[in-house]
Order: sequence, then structure tokens, then C-alpha cells
Amino acid sequence: EPEVTQTPSHQVTQMGQEVILRCVPISNHLYFYWYRQILGQKVEFLVSFYNNEISEKSEIFDDQFSVERPDGSNFTLKIRSTKLEDSAMYFCASTRGEPLHFGNGTRLTVT
Amino acid sequence: GQQLNQSPQSMFIQEGEDVSMNCTSSSIFNTWLWYKQDPGEGPVLLIALYKAGELTSNGRLTAQFGITRKDSFLNISASIPSDVGIYFCAGQIGTSYGKLTFGQGTILTVHP
Repeated sequence: EPEVTQTPSHQVTQMGQEVILRCVPISNHLYFYWYRQILGQKVEFLVSFYNNEISEKSEIFDDQFSVERPDGSNFTLKIRSTKLEDSAMYFCASTRGEPLHFGNGTRLTVT
Repeated sequence: GQQLNQSPQSMFIQEGEDVSMNCTSSSIFNTWLWYKQDPGEGPVLLIALYKAGELTSNGRLTAQFGITRKDSFLNISASIPSDVGIYFCAGQIGTSYGKLTFGQGTILTVHP
């Protein structure tokens, strides 16, 4: 069964640095998402992306965050000037109209 | 924003027992979903519900979309050790496709 793949599985960065989290959605999917899960807490919506533009974003997704689909297969989340509180699991998801398929996440640790 | 209240927070049961968990909200959702998350992995869809009153099964799992569209429950029958994990409900409002609101999760432990 096709999967959403995310790299890296674990990223450690220093506060203030920029990170790019990468995702390869399922190939025939059209809608792409990023979600975040702080350790021990619930999964939270960050942003949805369709037709090469953001369709909706949460209040968490401020100017520090950006998303891009640089080519036909990758979908990235960039976090500029990371803060300690950005430490979390970041999940990419995609769909073509049925329920979301999630990747296994990237664990971001900001030190 | 919308909030989902999921209960119980955790459950410790013996293998073979049945399990029930539920989610309630003050908001109306058009879709209810139940996901399971294993350690270090992403949520995996168990059951999707699209209509008020809908009752859907997936093997030993049964879920229902409440008539008021503000609640849903998930039942697991005859639990087995591999049922261990965190179960999340998630709701979607029709105008915000793919924007899911998740519950806080139910941690399930099954003792052999």
C-alpha cells in the first residue's frame, strides 16, 4: 500500500536555526497537510495546501513557518529561527478525497 | 476553535475484555474519524464515519457517529495485546477539508 514518507525521522537543531522537514505524499494525492504533536499532547493542525497554495492555516502557523511543493513529489515545511517550544513530532498527511493518510513523522528537537 | 473531549484518558484491561471510548464536542462535525497511533509512528485510520447515526465496523472495532453530530464512540471487542496504543478521535467540519480537530487520546494497555 502506498505510504506518505517523511525525512528525516529525527532532527536536532539549535535554537535560532532554520530547519526543513521533508515529505513525499502519496503520488496521486492532491491535498497536503502538516500537523504537529507536542510530546504527550494531541495532534494539532498546522496547514493545508492545495493547487500550489495554502488553503487554510491555524494560528500556530505564523510567519516563522512556510510550506512549499518544490517539485512534483516533495512537500516541505520550513521553520525559521526555531524556538525551544517548536520541539514536537511533525506529521505530513495527504489525501485525494478520502480520509488523511499520515506519515510516520519527524521528531524535531530544538536545543 | 473546536474542542473534542475524549474519554477515558487511559484504560488498563485484560486480554479478551471489551473496550469503549468516546468523544464529545460542543461543535457539530460532518465527519468523525478514529485513528490509532503506535509509539514513534503516525496516526493510522481505523474507521471513518460520514453520516449522523452511522454505525460502522472494521473487524473487532465498531464506531458510531452520534445523532446530534457532536459525539462518537469506538468499541473494541475481545481485546488482544496488539490493540495497545493511543486511540484518537478526530472531527472534520465540512467547509475545512482535511483540517481535523483531534481529541486528547485514550491510552490503551492490554494485559495478557
